[in-house]
Amino acid sequence: GQNIDQPTEMTATEGAIVQINCTYQTSGFNGLFWYQQHAGEAPTFLSYNVLDGLEEKGRFSSFLSRSKGYSYLLLKELQMKDSASYLCATVDSNYQLIWGAGTKLIIKP
Amino acid sequence: GAGVSQSPRYKVAKRGQDVALRCDPISGHVSLFWYQQALGQGPEFLTYFQNEAQLDKSGLPSDRFFAERPEGSVSTLKIQRTQQEDSAVYLCASSSRGGRTPSDTQYFGPGTRLTVL
Repeated sequence: GQNIDQPTEMTATEGAIVQINCTYQTSGFNGLFWYQQHAGEAPTFLSYNVLDGLEEKGRFSSFLSRSKGYSYLLLKELQMKDSASYLCATVDSNYQLIWGAGTKLIIKP
Repeated sequence: GAGVSQSPRYKVAKRGQDVALRCDPISGHVSLFWYQQALGQGPEFLTYFQNEAQLDKSGLPSDRFFAERPEGSVSTLKIQRTQQEDSAVYLCASSSRGGRTPSDTQYFGPGTRLTVL
C-alpha cells in the first residue's frame, strides 16, 4: 500500500526554527514535493527532492533520505505568515502525486 | 493569465443536483490535474489530462464524475446526482510539460468548495 505520514499539528515561536518530518512508503519513488497551503487557498510549491541530501532555498530547506523513506522541511527565522499547512507528496511509479494529510503549523509571537 | 483560476469558488448543491466546476489553467500548460481535498486532508488525485486527452481517470470515485478538456485548455469537472459525500474542495492544477515528468511543478488553483446538502 501507499502511506505518507506527517504530524497533524505543530506549534513554534516567531523567530525560531521548526522541522516538519514526513515518512513515506509508496509503490515506486520518483521524488518528493513539499507544498505550503494557507487556509482556504491553493497549495503553493516549496521544494522538490529526488536525490538524497539537503536542498536549501532561503529560509526553507528540504532534506531527503530515500533509503529511510524520510524527508523533512526545515523552516528558519519563523514569521507569522508561515502559519499554514505543509503538505508532503511523493511521486509514485505511475507518476501520480501521493499526498500526506498535511501538518498544520501554528506560529506564536 | 497569472495563475490557475477556478470557478465558482463556492457551490452549494442539493443532493441529486448536477454541478459543473471550471478550471482555467496557466496559458500554454500541457498537463492538467483534478484533485479532491477533504477537510484536514491532503489532495486526492481524480484525473489527468495531457492537452485534450484524458490519460488517467483512475481516481474518479464513481461514474457520476466526468471531466473534459475539449480544446486542451479550459477543463470542466462535472458531478452528476451529487451526494453528501461529494462535499469537498475540488482543486485543479496545471504543469508546463506533458508525459507526467516527475519534477514538473504543479501550480494549483484556489479550488471550488462544494457543499452538498
